[in-house]
Amino acid sequence: DMQMTQSPSSLSASVGDRVTITCRASQSISSYLNWYQQKPGKAPKLLIYAASSLQSGVPSRFSGSGSGTYFTLTISSLQPEDFATYYCQQSYSILYTFGQGTKLEIK
Amino acid sequence: EVQLVESGGGLVQPGGSLRLSCAASGFTFSSYWMHWVRQTPGKGLVWVSRINGDGRSTSYADSVKGRFTISRDNAKNTLYLQMNSLRAEDKAVYYCARLQLYNSGESAFDIWGQGTMVTVSS
Repeated sequence: DMQMTQSPSSLSASVGDRVTITCRASQSISSYLNWYQQKPGKAPKLLIYAASSLQSGVPSRFSGSGSGTYFTLTISSLQPEDFATYYCQQSYSILYTFGQGTKLEIK
Repeated sequence: EVQLVESGGGLVQPGGSLRLSCAASGFTFSSYWMHWVRQTPGKGLVWVSRINGDGRSTSYADSVKGRFTISRDNAKNTLYLQMNSLRAEDKAVYYCARLQLYNSGESAFDIWGQGTMVTVSS
């Protein structure tokens, strides 16, 4: 089965910092990779689709890159509302596997 | 406003049944594949099932195959998940989600419901 591995599992950062979260697929998934943000008690929210395309309405400080098995999500300048958990997800195979999540906390 | 609203969660005994509903509004429901995804603290987000626009094609995760049935009523703009033979490990928040297909061939869950909690316990 496809495995998606995110790192780090948690991250402490300050407002204004630039942060990068990585996601590795156990096999090549081309650009079939999405990123979601989830806040406590809320549903996930789509940020990036197809590895690097910004979902409508998402601030431009969010960006994604990568292809094959290695992907990154970068937040260029952290805002208070960005502290949340982030998940990658592959849409290459039917199981739509998610990563285990990266919890972004305030330092 | 494009929206998905789930209902039907609750407490059920092991071996029992529950039917979740997901009411869609603000978009042409019958044009989209719809999915169920569940979330637990231990296993995170896990895809459960999907159904195509006309309801004729369905798929399931191995963990629920033979116990859960996905269906839809396009006249009512509603998605369903019938859950039978429930187990303790089915305890989760269940989300319905719309699958958006992009010109490049990729896809993503662009609209999610608010989630409904299912607890399986005696």
